[in-house]
Amino acid sequence: NAGVMQNPRHLVRRRGQEARLRCSPMKGHSHVYWYRQLPEEGLKFMVYLQKENIIDESGMPKERFSAEFPKEGPSILRIQQVVRGDSAAYFCASSSALTPDYEQYFGPGTRLTVT
Amino acid sequence: SQQGEEDPQALSIQEGENATMNCSYKTSINNLQWYRQNSGRGLVHLILIRSNEREKHSGRLRVTLDTSKKSSSLLITASRAADTASYFCATAGGGNKLTFGTGTQLKVEL
Repeated sequence: NAGVMQNPRHLVRRRGQEARLRCSPMKGHSHVYWYRQLPEEGLKFMVYLQKENIIDESGMPKERFSAEFPKEGPSILRIQQVVRGDSAAYFCASSSALTPDYEQYFGPGTRLTVT
Repeated sequence: SQQGEEDPQALSIQEGENATMNCSYKTSINNLQWYRQNSGRGLVHLILIRSNEREKHSGRLRVTLDTSKKSSSLLITASRAADTASYFCATAGGGNKLTFGTGTQLKVEL
């Protein structure tokens, strides 16, 4: 049973370009969460999605950031017109409604560097 | 201060010693979880303690929770060099999102 998969593991973008980060949840998991970790800091919640629905996007910046979790395929975190401040590690986690306490399983992260 | 703050920020001990990390939080919670993160890697779930539990053990790990003080502690006994990592507490409130602390960097020296 593969764990949460994220790709790419490392992504370098120039200012103004778009970044697309992908997350495939664990098999059987229908809940996906995105978190951002700035250097030397803890993780900050961004968005929580279930299949085809955004449940909680209270941590998402209002502009340039969007997320989706389509019926088929991975969840996508999209950052348009990236700026240097977007450089961070972006982690995806997944859970199942059947998991006690909705325990979340984390992927290895995508490290985004904006030059 | 922010929800989920760990204390100390950094801790350096000798192999074989015990390591204790503390976490404080502000709002009511359903559960509190501890994670480990090796440098430049993802998070590994260590242990979860529910709000109605006071203590939990898993191998060399012991977690306590005091909801009246809104605090938790993680004890790692008989530490090993492989325990060197950052440790984060995370709280789960009414929704499903986790609120992470700022982390404790543990270094275990041979």
